Amino acid sequence: AQSVTQLDSHVSVSEGTPVLLRCNYSSSYSPSLFWYVQHPNKGLQLLLKYTSAATLVKGINGFEAEFKKSETSFHLTKPSAHMSDAAEYFCVVISFNDYKLSFGAGTTVTVRA
Amino acid sequence: GAVVSQHPSWVICKSGTSVKIECRSLDFQATTMFWYRQFPKQSLMLMATSNEGSKATYEQGVEKDKFLINHASLTLSTLTVTSAHPEDSSFYICSAQGGHSGKETQYFGPGTRLLVL
Repeated sequence: AQSVTQLDSHVSVSEGTPVLLRCNYSSSYSPSLFWYVQHPNKGLQLLLKYTSAATLVKGINGFEAEFKKSETSFHLTKPSAHMSDAAEYFCVVISFNDYKLSFGAGTTVTVRA
Repeated sequence: GAVVSQHPSWVICKSGTSVKIECRSLDFQATTMFWYRQFPKQSLMLMATSNEGSKATYEQGVEKDKFLINHASLTLSTLTVTSAHPEDSSFYICSAQGGHSGKETQYFGPGTRLLVL
């Protein structure tokens, strides 16, 4: 079975500083991993996905994530946080048996002016 | 592309009534859609998998008679909360699988907030 663990429940950064959201995965085979963002009272928006191609994945809004098999990690980063980045972020892994998604617990990002 | 809509976005109903939530893939066909439930400050919980033209598959602990799912076309799935009670109040989100990005990508609707009085 596949699962993901988000290591931080809450991350607070100042505007203009880097953001790091940590995610570790567990999978019996090479996983496909995703990062989604959810703004308050909204659905989820796909930021980026890793599907066994390049290990450094670039997404929307300046986010990127690096797949590290040796560390079983898929951390999300952004070099300069913007106020609009304040939201909930979910690391997700997919099961290729039935295409069901397994969600991490989420990381709340707040951005200080 | 790959837009998913939900209707309504907000619904308030009395206890004992039924509520229908629609999930539509606007610009692609989705043979599979998923229904999730999200409690405040929590992650998404998969309720069921909806397959076009066949019965939905429910996750363990989800009452199929309580949460009726119909996937009558390649662009529409509906979730009906029957005889709703206050404990059914939640944020319901659907997703549709596929589009141009293939089966591994799900596109999410904006969610429906249900409040049962």
